[in-house]
Amino acid sequence: NAGVTQTPKFQVLKTGQSMTLQCAQDMNHNSMYWYRQDPGMGLRLIYYSASEGTTDKGEVPNGYNVSRLNKREFSLRLESAAPSQTSVYFCASSLNRDTEAFFGQGTRLTVV
Amino acid sequence: DAKTTQPNSMESNEEEPVHLPCNHSTISGTDYIHWYRQLPSQGPEYVIHGLTSNVNNRMASLAIAEDRKSSTLILHRATLRDAAVYYCILREQTGANNLFFGTGTRLTVIP
Repeated sequence: NAGVTQTPKFQVLKTGQSMTLQCAQDMNHNSMYWYRQDPGMGLRLIYYSASEGTTDKGEVPNGYNVSRLNKREFSLRLESAAPSQTSVYFCASSLNRDTEAFFGQGTRLTVV
Repeated sequence: DAKTTQPNSMESNEEEPVHLPCNHSTISGTDYIHWYRQLPSQGPEYVIHGLTSNVNNRMASLAIAEDRKSSTLILHRATLRDAAVYYCILREQTGANNLFFGTGTRLTVIP
């Protein structure tokens, strides 16, 4: 049981480049989330998907887009990367509102 | 988002119990109290959660005050592997159902 898998684990981008962070879960969870974590801080919600076919903004959505491709996959896209988007990105999933969330191992993104 | 207040850091000796406090005075009646921990260079890991009653699992116990305005995570015997940042989170049952992470408590376990 792989849980939540994120790719890539590390990425360096130049300012203005675009990229997509991939996330997949194999637990048949309904809800999926994207967070970012800056040094010394807690996680902040970027976007979430309560169920397949729906997505909504979280606390810090500017500069990002998401796609809930199917129940398993939830991708995060940076259209034009900026140094302020240098962070560690975590994907998470949960079965429903009352159950625990499972997190991936993170993607460490540096924008230069 | 409902907020929580935790001490920035705590220390514990190995194999002793640890009580990690959390205040959440603005909790609503439907918010669940969740605890997660984050080991260095890893994603957060679920520890325990509850609504009103005290809860136990293989990792820890959660003691919830009668008025639900505070809670305590109890690690019965701290090990070196328990050194992590512990987050106390109120999970809303409406809207984004977000897990709002504060800065947490950094637990240091002393051998």
